[in-house]
Amino acid sequence: EDKVVQSPLSLVVHEGDTVTLNCSYEVTNFRSLLWYKQEKKAPTFLFMLTSSGIEKKSGRLSSILDKKELSSILNITATQTGDSAIYLCAVAPPQETSGSRLTFGEGTQLTVNP
Amino acid sequence: KAGVTQTPRYLIKTRGQQVTLSCSPISGHRSVSWYQQTPGQGLQFLFEYFSETQRNKGNFPGRFSGRQFSNSRSEMNVSTLELGDSALYLCASSLLYRVGTEAFFGQGTRLTVV
Repeated sequence: EDKVVQSPLSLVVHEGDTVTLNCSYEVTNFRSLLWYKQEKKAPTFLFMLTSSGIEKKSGRLSSILDKKELSSILNITATQTGDSAIYLCAVAPPQETSGSRLTFGEGTQLTVNP
Repeated sequence: KAGVTQTPRYLIKTRGQQVTLSCSPISGHRSVSWYQQTPGQGLQFLFEYFSETQRNKGNFPGRFSGRQFSNSRSEMNVSTLELGDSALYLCASSLLYRVGTEAFFGQGTRLTVV
């Protein structure tokens, strides 16, 4: 069964700190990995990483995919209180078996204190 | 461009009742997936619809069902509600039925079973 594990489950930092969130996966024939930010209800899309795009960056956020280690990290630099949220990692298996189905990790609850 | 719309936002039901939740995807999106989110289990895949056909189903009992209409709107139904069905139900829409396609989530329906 496909499995996605995120660590840490919870993290408390001060504004200005840099954080690294981890995601490892056990998915047969992995195709893509997605990161979402969930503040209240709707997870909002951050990045999608594939074998042809293993590194993405947007402002203070960046993400890298390590296909050899079956893992990904999400970095947030110069954190702000508005970064407080649950960060979800999800993996998409092959299309021929799973369509758009995503397998999610438990999420990392990030709290940024002023 | 309107996002994914889920109705109702909140719902309180009694054990044994049934409930129907609605999801309108982003205009032009044809794939709709449903997820259940609980504190203990995280986000779990329920089912996916594309072109009015169920393409994938998660590991949930038959009390959970759904359908998709010709305009891509989708409904999910839960019959004989149990206390454990209390959760946030999220709908995600994707442009196509294709792995790795970015999925955009609605605000969710918070279901409480008493």
